[in-house]
Amino acid sequence: NAGVTQTPKFQVLKTGQSMTLQCAQDMNHNSMYWYRQDPGMGLRLIYYSASEGTTDKGEVPNGYNVSRLNKREFSLRLESAAPSQTSVYFCASSGGAGNSNQPQHFGDGTRLSIL
Amino acid sequence: EDQVTQSPEALRLQEGESSSLNCSYTVSGLRGLFWYRQDPGKGPEFLFTLYSAGEEKEKERLKATLTKKESFLHITAPKPEDSATYLCAVQSRRLVFGAGTILRVKS
Repeated sequence: NAGVTQTPKFQVLKTGQSMTLQCAQDMNHNSMYWYRQDPGMGLRLIYYSASEGTTDKGEVPNGYNVSRLNKREFSLRLESAAPSQTSVYFCASSGGAGNSNQPQHFGDGTRLSIL
Repeated sequence: EDQVTQSPEALRLQEGESSSLNCSYTVSGLRGLFWYRQDPGKGPEFLFTLYSAGEEKEKERLKATLTKKESFLHITAPKPEDSATYLCAVQSRRLVFGAGTILRVKS
């Protein structure tokens, strides 16, 4: 049971470089999410997709773009990486709509460092 | 503004020493409260959902309870393998996470 799979697991970028983080889920969930986790802070929502073909901004969307490629896949793109985007990025999925009360299930994260 | 506060930030227990973690929240329209466990280098792992005040859920040594203002995660006779960060999240218009409690259980 793969659940939510994220690639890559680790990445180091230079300031100004671009990169796409990949996420795929095999639970047939409608909703998918991207979070960042920084020390001492709770997980913060970057973008989410309540269903295939829709995306919405979360709490901290600046500097990021997303694509819901199909029901399984949801990617996060950094167009011009900045040191402030150094973080651990988590993808999650859930069976309900974006604000439903169904639990979200998480991947194991991408650890991104920007020099 | 929706807010979730977890306490303590860190907790050290001896094996077998029971304790509780707290999650207090202020949200407009609670749809659900979630507890997650997160191990180092891993993503959060879902533990429980609580939907209404008075509700309780149990799993092995863990028991989660909910009131109108807070939730507790009670850990009975913990073992070293219970060491992890425990996250609380509250669903209203969106899902809001607390910063977590780091639990260390020593044998």
